[in-house]
This record gives sequence, structure tokens and C-alpha cells, in this order.
Amino acid sequence: EIVLTQSPGTLSLSPGERATLSCRASQSVSSSYLAWYQQKPGQVPRLLIYGAFSRATGIPDRFSGSGSGTDFTLTISRLEPEDFAVYYCHQYGSSSWTFGQGTKVEIK
Amino acid sequence: EVQLVESGGGLVKPGGSLRLSCAASGFTFSNAWMSWVRQAPGKGLEWVGCIKTKTDDGTTEYAAPVKGRFTISRDDSKTTLYLQMNSLNTEDTAVYYCTTSRVHAGYFQNWGQGTLVTVSS
Repeated sequence: EIVLTQSPGTLSLSPGERATLSCRASQSVSSSYLAWYQQKPGQVPRLLIYGAFSRATGIPDRFSGSGSGTDFTLTISRLEPEDFAVYYCHQYGSSSWTFGQGTKVEIK
Repeated sequence: EVQLVESGGGLVKPGGSLRLSCAASGFTFSNAWMSWVRQAPGKGLEWVGCIKTKTDDGTTEYAAPVKGRFTISRDDSKTTLYLQMNSLNTEDTAVYYCTTSRVHAGYFQNWGQGTLVTVSS
């Protein structure tokens, strides 16, 4: 099973700042089958990025994904108030899919 | 509009069984890989398992904690996904989400609202 480790656990930033979230895999993720989700309290997760860098429908271009192999990054170029949430990475490149433990982006 | 509506959650005793259903609409169900994802109270997301389309041999895959106890199936004629859960234990307590990419892919474009399963004596 591929273990995904997200860092940092919590990111304290102000609106307008840049957020950089990391997701490191214990083995190479096949074909960059890596996705990112956003979850706000009491809400269902929302797909942001799939295939490591493709934005899902309706996702603002301030969200971008990058990386390959074992190291992936989600960048939020300028934080909006609605972006404060928990973010999860997810790999679906092996027969056993896994999620990272999440990174909470909180208001500083 | 894509809709995924889960049902069948509730309170069950340890060692018991439960079957969840997910009624899907708004997309071509038979062409979509379908999955279950769960979230224990206050915890992160955990993939439970998936079922691929008939053209992909209807292959099922499961996470290690549920393998041998849970079974995922689909009825394309009813556009419904199922999760049969046996030998439940307290660690299975969670909200269970039905998810799909709507295509032959493993990411989760759409999510249901979830159904709560509580395993407790």
C-alpha cells in the first residue's frame, strides 16, 4: 500500500497569502494518478485537482497542482476567505487507493 | 444534475451486518467506476473500495481493513451501488460516502451526502 504523508499538518496564513501544501508518497505514484480535495466543516469533500495538475470543473485558477513520482504539491496562489479548510491528497495509481492524513489551512 | 443518494446506515452491534445502497442519477452509471469512502468522526478520509465497469470486468478492490468483510456490488439496470458490510467492529463507525469520477478513473468527481454507520453495543 502506498502511504501518503502530507505536510505541514496545519498551515496558518492570512487571506491574500500563498499556500503551499505537500504530499509525499512512500512509492512512486503511477502515471501521476494523484488528486486533491478540499473539505470544509460539515461539508462533503470537493475535488480540486486530478492527474496531479488538471483542475476539476469550476475550480478557480488560483488552485494549481504539480509534481510527479513521489512528491506532489498543491498551491493556492492567493488565499480567499473561503479557502480555509482541510485539504487531502489521494493516489489512485495502485490497486489499493489511499488518502493522505490532511493539511488544515487556518486563518492566522 | 448528478445525484448520489446513500441509504441504509444506522446503529448495529459489533459482529453485525449492514447493507448500504447508493442510488445514482444524472450520468451514465454503467460507464462509471464507483467507490465508497468513509470518514470516522473527527478523522480524515479513508478509501473503502471500488468497483469498475463491466467493460473493465467489474473488478473490485478493497482497502486492507475491510478486505474479506465488505463486498461492493452494482446493479447497472437500477443505477445503484451497494456495500455489504459483515463482521462489523467499532472501528467501522463512520460516515460512508458513495463517490464516482463518472468515467473510467479513480478520482472522485462527485460525492453523495453520506450515511452514518455506528457500530456499538
